[in-house]
Parts: sequence; C-alpha cells; structure tokens
Amino acid sequence: GNSVTQMEGPVTLSEEAFLTINCTYTATGYPSLFWYVQYPGEGLQLLLKATKADDKGSNKGFEATYRKETTSFHLEKGSVQVSDSAVYFCAATNAGGTSYGKLTFGQGTILTVHP
Amino acid sequence: DAMVIQNPRYQVTQFGKPVTLSCSQTLNHNVMYWYQQKSSQAPKLLFHYYDKDFNNEADTPDNFQSRRPNTSFCFLDIRSPGLGDAAMYLCATKAGQGNEKLFFGSGTQLSVL
Repeated sequence: GNSVTQMEGPVTLSEEAFLTINCTYTATGYPSLFWYVQYPGEGLQLLLKATKADDKGSNKGFEATYRKETTSFHLEKGSVQVSDSAVYFCAATNAGGTSYGKLTFGQGTILTVHP
Repeated sequence: DAMVIQNPRYQVTQFGKPVTLSCSQTLNHNVMYWYQQKSSQAPKLLFHYYDKDFNNEADTPDNFQSRRPNTSFCFLDIRSPGLGDAAMYLCATKAGQGNEKLFFGSGTQLSVL
C-alpha cells in the first residue's frame, strides 16, 4: 500500500517567514495528493490537493506541486501568519482511484508561528 | 455550522468497560470513515461504510465494531477498551467513490483509566 512521510516537527517560525514542510510518498501508479490542516480544537480540513503530475494545488497562500520524479508534494507559503499555527497532514489516495478514496496520512507536522 | 458532528468531545472510560462513540452528518454523504489517531502519529483508518456496505481494514482489532443505522449516523463501539486504545477518534464523510475531499468531525478524545 501507500506510505507518506512528512518532515518531523515541530516547526517554529516568526510571522512573515517562509514555510516549507516536506512530504514524500511511495505508491504504485499515480495517487492523488492532499494537504489537510487541523487547527486547535477542530477536525481536519482540506487545504489543497493535486490529482496528477505537475499539478499545483493552492489555497490561502499555500502551494504544493505534485512532483512525480521525486515523489514529493512539499507544502510552501511565502509569508506565514500567526493564524497559520496548526498541524499539517500530507495524504495520498490509493493509486488508480480505488473505490471510496481511501487516504493514507503522514504523521503530521506541528507549525507554530510567533508574532 | 458543523456538518460532521462527533459526541462527546472527550470520553473517559474504564479498562474493559464498553464504550460507544457517535458521529452524525448533515451532508447526506454515502461514505463514512472512522480513524484512530494516537499522539504524534498519522490517523489510521479503522473501517468505513459505503451506504450500508461495511469495509473493515485488515489490521483493525476485533475489539472495534461499528454500526450505521442510517445515512446520517455512524457509531464506533469498543467492546473492551484497553490502555492502548486511548486516542483521538475521527469520523469523516465523503460524497462518493472518487477522490473528493473528506469532511472531518472535531474528533472524540478517548481516555482509558
């Protein structure tokens, strides 16, 4: 099955700093890739996704590009805000669109942004 | 307004005492999932329903059961909780069989004493 590996956290940044959270995956075929975010006290919510190689997902200033050659989907943001403090999860569906869209998650990266 | 609702937010049970966690949704989605998330680990899929079709993950212990009496509700039953079952339990829904996004509830944090 799939596996997803994220950079270990926690990550602590000052406001307006540049953010990168690395994510790599192993899968047969071409999975769809996702970033989910979990704010304190809330459930996970989709941040962005990409469904094929070279696609770029973007939302709220965050971006990630599906890199098939490096099997990566790194999350970036040019200028983080305090409100971005959360846990970020990289995830992949089973390649080939297995029914029910079963997701495999990475272990999550805690991001803390200080004023 | 919350679309996937999990109750309670925090649940404490005793070792070996059966416990039920509940999830309801207002989205009318076909698919409902239960994930277990232990501290600093990835959410792990326990099982899911497509309508009434139940799908158990191969490594989900028999101690974990689920019921889905109708589209809106899904329950997670832990028959004899052990200390190792203390975790956050996440319910999620999805509209269909493709790669649509999942909608998550806020989770239930289970403690086992």
